[in-house]
Amino acid sequence: DTGVSQNPRHKITKRGQNVTFRCDPISEHNRLYWYRQTLGQGPEFLTYFQNEAQLEKSRLLSDRFSAERPKGSFSTLEIQRTEQGDSAMYLCASSLEAGAGELFFGEGSRLTVL
Amino acid sequence: QKEVEQDPGPLSVPEGAIVSLNCTYSNSAFQYFMWYRQYSRKGPELLMYTYSSGNKEDGRFTAQVDKSSKYISLFIRDSQPSDSATYLCAMLAGANSKLTFGKGITLSVRP
Repeated sequence: DTGVSQNPRHKITKRGQNVTFRCDPISEHNRLYWYRQTLGQGPEFLTYFQNEAQLEKSRLLSDRFSAERPKGSFSTLEIQRTEQGDSAMYLCASSLEAGAGELFFGEGSRLTVL
Repeated sequence: QKEVEQDPGPLSVPEGAIVSLNCTYSNSAFQYFMWYRQYSRKGPELLMYTYSSGNKEDGRFTAQVDKSSKYISLFIRDSQPSDSATYLCAMLAGANSKLTFGKGITLSVRP
């Protein structure tokens, strides 16, 4: 297994555009997480899935953000009507249910909103 | 007050030094404590995982948890230039809760 894969690695977009990020987790992991990280800060929780069910969303996640994991495998994170404040690194991680603290992170997708 | 507070950085030490990294937390529900290491332009990777109060050692790394004081530490012995990275403490209340991270501290080990 090659680990958690995220695409694209870097996205530059203009304010108001929609962007979508994809995450392919480690195949046997049933949990998938999205975090956001800005410069000089730790990762901030956005949402997580167990299989295809979205179990928790951060209160900080505005309605412009939506995440899906349609078949319990890969996941997408879409940001609609992007704002400059959305510029960050979006990290995806996966884990086994039994290893909830042991997250395996991808290398992230960096979003720059101009 | 943030749930997890981490000592501010950055931190620069000479090779061979003993490094102490610390975090405090306010949420008594946290039961599991982790340290992640993040190299530049990479995702975090798990370094140490502890459950109970006490010490856990893995090679040059020792994780210490004091639940009564809500304080955790990571010690790095004989630090190496390859240890230069950002270190993030992280905490979990239960198996179905989210992992909460500290702000991270950037460590630089000078050859």
